[in-house]
Amino acid sequence: DAGVIQSPRHEVTEMGQEVTLRCKPISGHNSLFWYRQTMMRGLELLIYFNNNVPIDDSGMPEDRFSAKMPNASFSTLKIQPSEPRDSAVYFCASYRGNTIYFGEGSWLTVV
Amino acid sequence: QKEVEQDPGPLSVPEGAIVSLNCTYSNSAFQYFMWYRQYSRKGPELLMYTYSSGNKEDGRFTAQVDKSSKYISLFIRDSQPSDSATYLCAMRTTGNQFYFGTGTSLTVIP
Repeated sequence: DAGVIQSPRHEVTEMGQEVTLRCKPISGHNSLFWYRQTMMRGLELLIYFNNNVPIDDSGMPEDRFSAKMPNASFSTLKIQPSEPRDSAVYFCASYRGNTIYFGEGSWLTVV
Repeated sequence: QKEVEQDPGPLSVPEGAIVSLNCTYSNSAFQYFMWYRQYSRKGPELLMYTYSSGNKEDGRFTAQVDKSSKYISLFIRDSQPSDSATYLCAMRTTGNQFYFGTGTSLTVIP
């Protein structure tokens, strides 16, 4: 099992640019989560999907953030336009059997 | 009040020490309790999973849940330098909403 796969692993971008983070969940897992992790706030849930349908997006900070899950094996998190305060690690996780499994994260720096 | 409270540390112990990591929570509906370990620049990985109250042991690790006090603990016996990481507690109700602590940073000194 390859685990949850995220790309890119590292991204440095200029303020105002569009950022797209990608995730491939573990095959057979029917729920997918996007989290953001910072030193100050820890892990924050941004959005989660169940069977490709967004269930709870109340954690999405503002309209600059959007997420899609067009099929069971792919999801994207987009930030447009990006701002320096978006700098963080973004984790994708998939869920099955009572717990969730995280990817390695996408380390985003907005300068 | 946060759903889950966890002391961020940092915690520094000598090799071989017993480590105690703790979380408190406010939601009495939490049924499932987990501990994740996160190495530097890596994603969290599941370490221990328990359901409801009681103890669960796995090698040098023991997870303890006290639902009456809304308190969970992770004990690490004979701590090793390889245990140096951030430990996050997590919990959920019967739904899919997971609530994480902010993590405790642990360093085990050789």
